[in-house]
Amino acid sequence: GENVEQHPSTLSVQEGDSAVIKCTYSDSASNYFPWYKQELGKRPQLIIDIRSNVGEKKDQRIAVTLNKTAKHFSLHITETQPEDSAVYFCPRRNQFYFGTGTSLTVIP
Amino acid sequence: GAVVSQHPSRVICKSGTSVKIECRSLDFQATTMFWYRQFPKQSLMLMATSNEGSKATYEQGVEKDKFLINHASLTLSTLTVTSAHPEDSSFYICSAPPTGERGYTFGSGTRLTVV
Repeated sequence: GENVEQHPSTLSVQEGDSAVIKCTYSDSASNYFPWYKQELGKRPQLIIDIRSNVGEKKDQRIAVTLNKTAKHFSLHITETQPEDSAVYFCPRRNQFYFGTGTSLTVIP
Repeated sequence: GAVVSQHPSRVICKSGTSVKIECRSLDFQATTMFWYRQFPKQSLMLMATSNEGSKATYEQGVEKDKFLINHASLTLSTLTVTSAHPEDSSFYICSAPPTGERGYTFGSGTRLTVV
C-alpha cells in the first residue's frame, strides 16, 4: 500500500502567525489530495482538497499546494486564529487509515 | 449532501455492561462503514470495516468478541462494546468510505465513558 507521512505531529504557533503542515506520499498515481480538520470531540471535516492537475488552491486563509515531483502536498494556514486549533489529517483516498495527524495549537 | 447520523453522542455506562452505537446513512446507501476509535489529540485508529451482508473485517489487535459489528442493512451499521471496562472509554466514530463524488462521510462520533 501507499506510504504516507505527515509532519509535524504537533505544532504550536502564536495567533496571527502562519502554520504549514506537510504530507508526503509514494504512489505516483495519486490524483486527489484532501485535508481534514477535526476539532476536539467533533467529526473530521473536509476543509480543502486539490487534484493532481492543479498546483495550488486557496480558500480565504487556507491553501493547499501540491508538488508532484517531490510527491508532497502541504496545508498552509495564514493569520492563524485560536479556532484553527485542531487535529489535521491528510488521508489517502484508497486507504482508510488516517496516519498520525498534526495537532495544531494556536496560542492567543 | 451525504449524511451519516450517529448516536448516541455521549454515553456513560457501568463496567461490565454493553453499549450499542448506531450509524445510519440518511440519504445514500452505504454497503461499507468504517469504525474508528480515537484518544484525545491523537489520530483516528481504524478498528474494523463493516460490510452489508457479510462479516466485518477487523484490524489487527482488535478483539472481535469485544467489539461486535453488524451491518444489518444498506443504511445501518452498529458497533456494540461488550462487557465494557474503563479502558474502553474513548471517542468512537464511523465513516462511510469516499466515492468518486465525495470524501469521507463521518458520523458525529460517540463519547463513551465507562465507570
